[in-house]
Amino acid sequence: AQKITQTQPGMFVQEKEAVTLDCTYDTSDPSYGLFWYKQPSSGEMIFLIYQGSYDQQNATEGRYSLNFQKARKSANLVISASQLGDSAMYFCAMREGWGQGGKLIFGQGTELSVKP
Amino acid sequence: DAMVIQNPRYQVTQFGKPVTLSCSQTLNHNVMYWYQQKSSQAPKLLFHYYDKDFNNEADTPDNFQSRRPNTSFCFLDIRSPGLGDAAMYLCATSTSGRNQETQYFGPGTRLLVL
Repeated sequence: AQKITQTQPGMFVQEKEAVTLDCTYDTSDPSYGLFWYKQPSSGEMIFLIYQGSYDQQNATEGRYSLNFQKARKSANLVISASQLGDSAMYFCAMREGWGQGGKLIFGQGTELSVKP
Repeated sequence: DAMVIQNPRYQVTQFGKPVTLSCSQTLNHNVMYWYQQKSSQAPKLLFHYYDKDFNNEADTPDNFQSRRPNTSFCFLDIRSPGLGDAAMYLCATSTSGRNQETQYFGPGTRLLVL
């Protein structure tokens, strides 16, 4: 079964508007972390934002915010005031457990295109 | 600036000819990872080093090996590359127990197998 699901293969947004990228996850581990990464066409994976399973507040980093709904097991990324440079592939990822170095489980990604 | 560096950015090799990809980091992180990412797919973990301890993923082919001679450097060796090994190879680092164990990635090496 998929542990991380991103149901939107591609999204379009108008410059300066907000956009939400969906991510749902599945785990039985009470301790986990959720990450969003941006991958431009150059290939580098750029860390955007993190949400821990025990965090009470939704994470925010500049124009990025994470809409964390634990009961629904969703961790949607909201990008406010989209810019042309936001056009990229966006990956949601989950890390189960801590302390020993472990793998990130990635979703299939959402390709975001920002229109001028 | 502290960072994760991968060399080369592009590597062309011949079918069956051994190739080594390198990764270095100035973050002093104790964990280093190698991911394989094929076109239009999500990254897939091959293995990682927790300090000097090597952790192989169960489905990583034997054709892929890794070395970590010190904290800063980690190498990915492909002993006999096949056409199916053409991919982006991403190195990442993290610090266990701190900073949410966020993984920071290098720019990647695109491998082409002829």
